[in-house]
Amino acid sequence: DVKVTQSSRYLVKRTGEKVFLECVQDMDHENMFWYRQDPGLGLRLIYFSYDVKMKEKGDIPEGYSVSREKKERFSLILESASTNQTSMYLCASSTWTSGRAWGSTDTQYFGPGTRLTVL
Amino acid sequence: SQQGEEDPQALSIQEGENATMNCSYKTSINNLQWYRQNSGRGLVHLILIRSNEREKHSGRLRVTLDTSKKSSSLLITASRAADTASYFCATDADAGGTSYGKLTFGQGTILTVHP
Repeated sequence: DVKVTQSSRYLVKRTGEKVFLECVQDMDHENMFWYRQDPGLGLRLIYFSYDVKMKEKGDIPEGYSVSREKKERFSLILESASTNQTSMYLCASSTWTSGRAWGSTDTQYFGPGTRLTVL
Repeated sequence: SQQGEEDPQALSIQEGENATMNCSYKTSINNLQWYRQNSGRGLVHLILIRSNEREKHSGRLRVTLDTSKKSSSLLITASRAADTASYFCATDADAGGTSYGKLTFGQGTILTVHP
C-alpha cells in the first residue's frame, strides 16, 4: 500500500514563526502536492512538484514556499506564519502522468493531514 | 476557480437508503475521480471513471459520467453509518499537454448516515 506520512497531526505556532511541514511518501512517486483545506472552500492547491528540485505554484502560493531535495520528501514552509494560515494542510503524491495518455490516472494518495493553528 | 462543484452540499439519510451526490465541471477532462474523507483525516481514492466511460461500479459504489453535460454522479447503495464522510469529485486540471497529475477538487458533499 502507498503510504504518505506527515510530520505532525497537530501543530500550534505563534505569529511570525517559521514553520516547516514535512511530507514523506514511500512509493517512489514523481509528483507531490500540498493543499490547504478550509470550511466552505474545499481543497486548494498551494504548490506541487513533479521531480526533485522542481516546483510549481498552485492556486494560492502566497506566503508559502516548498522544498524537494529528495524524491520521497516534500516540505512546505511558512516563512512567517500568520493567523490566516490557520488551516488543515494535506500532502499528496501521485505517479508520473503523460497528460492525455489513456494509461495515466493521476490518482492521488493523501497523508493524514496536519492541523495548524497560528496564534 | 472550482472545476468541480458538488451538489448537494450536505445529505442526511437513514441506514439502508441510497445516497446520490452530483458533480459538475467546466472544461473537458481525461478522467474524473471520487474521493472520500473521514472527519479530520486525509482523502482516500474511491473510484475513477475515464472520459470514454459512461458508468462504473465498485462494490456498493456506482459512478456515472455525462461528458456532454459535464457532470458526474456517485451513488452509494444500501448505505451504512460507516459511510458517513465527506465526498469529493476531482478532475484533471488540464485537458491537453502534461498536467503533472494536478487535480482540481470540488467543495465536497457531507454525507451523514443515521443508524
